[in-house]
Amino acid sequence: DQQVKQNSPSLSVQEGRISILNCDYTNSMFDYFLWYKKYPAEGPTFLISISSIKDKNEDGRFTVFLNKSAKHLSLHIVPSQPGDSAVYFCAAAGGNTPLVFGKGTRLSVIA
Amino acid sequence: DSGVTQTPKHLITATGQRVTLRCSPRSGDLSVYWYQQSLDQGLQFLIQYYNGEERAKGNILERFSAQQFPDLHSELNLSSLELGDSALYFCASTPLGGLAEETQYFGPGTRLLVL
Repeated sequence: DQQVKQNSPSLSVQEGRISILNCDYTNSMFDYFLWYKKYPAEGPTFLISISSIKDKNEDGRFTVFLNKSAKHLSLHIVPSQPGDSAVYFCAAAGGNTPLVFGKGTRLSVIA
Repeated sequence: DSGVTQTPKHLITATGQRVTLRCSPRSGDLSVYWYQQSLDQGLQFLIQYYNGEERAKGNILERFSAQQFPDLHSELNLSSLELGDSALYFCASTPLGGLAEETQYFGPGTRLLVL
């Protein structure tokens, strides 16, 4: 059973617009959430994280929102740039469990 | 460049064979994690080592084993290979390995193809 779900395998957005990537989780023990970005032929790289004591964390063009009651988080990228085209993985941790990753969403930013 | 190195980059082998994947963590990192990414799947956690000792185990098959050596590099051994073992195998490292808040730094991966 998937504990971290990214229901959109792909997303296309025009350059300059907002990209919103979504992630749902089922395990109530998760208390720390991360987003990783992956380019082809490279390993994932850490992008941004959020603790369950917060509902928002911002870093430049990237903002992660956490809705604990809905067990949902989202990553907003504003404005989107062609260099943001990559696969984005949502990951969650908590209760001494190792990181659990979603299947990823492939973002394409069209110039 | 994350500072984590993995060799080889690509590996093609036949069913029933055995292979060894190697990972060198970032300088100073004591903990190593291994992940498997099959087609259209997320990263599946396999196993974690900290300073030479196994710390956590995920969905690692009995045909797979790993170890971390005194110089902190790690090897993942895959034996009796099956077609379904074809995947990307990633290694990641962290300084301590005990906290979820520690950022994991990933290597570029080894792509394994079993024919």
